[in-house]
Amino acid sequence: SQQGEEDPQALSIQEGENATMNCSYKTSINNLQWYRQNSGRGLVHLILIRSNEREKHSGRLRVTLDTSKKSSSLLITASRAADTASYFCATRSNDYKLSFGAGTTVTVRA
Amino acid sequence: EAGVTQFPSHSVIEKGQTVTLRCDPISGHDNLYWYRRVMGKEIKFLLHFVKESKQDESGMPNNRFLAERTGGTYSTLKVQPAELEDSGVYFCASSQDSGPLHFGNGTRLTVT
Repeated sequence: SQQGEEDPQALSIQEGENATMNCSYKTSINNLQWYRQNSGRGLVHLILIRSNEREKHSGRLRVTLDTSKKSSSLLITASRAADTASYFCATRSNDYKLSFGAGTTVTVRA
Repeated sequence: EAGVTQFPSHSVIEKGQTVTLRCDPISGHDNLYWYRRVMGKEIKFLLHFVKESKQDESGMPNNRFLAERTGGTYSTLKVQPAELEDSGVYFCASSQDSGPLHFGNGTRLTVT
């Protein structure tokens, strides 16, 4: 069954604006990861946040994790056209398996 | 370092035929995973190899799917016989220990 579930399914923003997407999950996790997929390509790892962390930054990316609500958010600041892609959250439990959601499709308009 | 490579990138076959997908992981990565995405839905886990052993194959849909990783290097995923609902994009990924996954570009399978 699906573990991570992203919201919204699709997001359209103007270049320079911020994009925020959320992820909810169902079971306890060791870490949560965000991936990006450009059309026709494989998924690329963006950032990993461990279950004992609450916030993490990487360049223009900011990820938060609330284990009490079983949710995470990904914020992309000052978006660029190159940020147009699908974004997936993935959760890792006690085994090596990563469980993905259906993703959020982000379109950045020039 | 070379990334994860998958072959073919596209495959169109008729219902009832057989297709074999291949994945070459990053050298030295013991963990190899197969995932599938159907019609824009969630990316579903199929199975996980650690070296040549199947660690977890709980996501394999049925016995028409057979995955192998002989020698712990490249892996193949065979679908025999293919059905219409098998259409989708099949991703392979590899990792070192419990680190981030490195994905290939996927094989887009269309069963007609």
